[in-house]
Amino acid sequence: GQNIDQPTEMTATEGAIVQINCTYQTSGFNGLFWYQQHAGEAPTFLSYNVLDGLEEKGRFSSFLSRSKGYSYLLLKELQMKDSASYLCAVNPMNRDDKIIFGKGTRLHILP
Amino acid sequence: EAQVTQNPRYLITVTGKKLTVTCSQNMNHEYMSWYRQDPGLGLRQIYYSMNVEVTDKGDVPEGYKVSRKEKRNFPLILESPSPNQTSLYFCASSPRDRGYNEQFFGPGTRLTVL
Repeated sequence: GQNIDQPTEMTATEGAIVQINCTYQTSGFNGLFWYQQHAGEAPTFLSYNVLDGLEEKGRFSSFLSRSKGYSYLLLKELQMKDSASYLCAVNPMNRDDKIIFGKGTRLHILP
Repeated sequence: EAQVTQNPRYLITVTGKKLTVTCSQNMNHEYMSWYRQDPGLGLRQIYYSMNVEVTDKGDVPEGYKVSRKEKRNFPLILESPSPNQTSLYFCASSPRDRGYNEQFFGPGTRLTVL
């Protein structure tokens, strides 16, 4: 089965760096997603990792370690608009039709 | 503009009164899916469709029906809504030509069942 764990809430300061962790127990998966969701809005795609290592995309980077069952989303130069929930999700092996979402991490940015 | 649309955006109804939430996408995506989002539980998949006339159950299908008669539309039907179906519902679609299932979400439908 699949079980995805993320911290429920985090707080960081504008201009700082924050790392949001995601650990998972799964029998196997194709890849791992991160989505951003502002309050009351739809989730939007941020990243997809299939290989171990760091993928950088502007201020956001995502890391995956399959052997450790671990991923993180790194946000640099935080802006107030980064206040949102961040959802970790996995795509189970041989099931490209299915995405299993974690419960999300609500990130608060302080000025 | 490429998008997923849902209607209605907000709905308050009473127990047992059948309702349909429509979902439409203009991106020619083969894959479509319905989720519900509840506090403390995250996004959970209700039903999904890999293509026209092909639908399958997700993790929480009880009390819901779907149909996929056309590629662009994927309505969610609640035959006899109950208060435990009060939730925020999202429709999503995805192309299947990228090697991964990036989903594009609609704006959401907030449903209250009294």
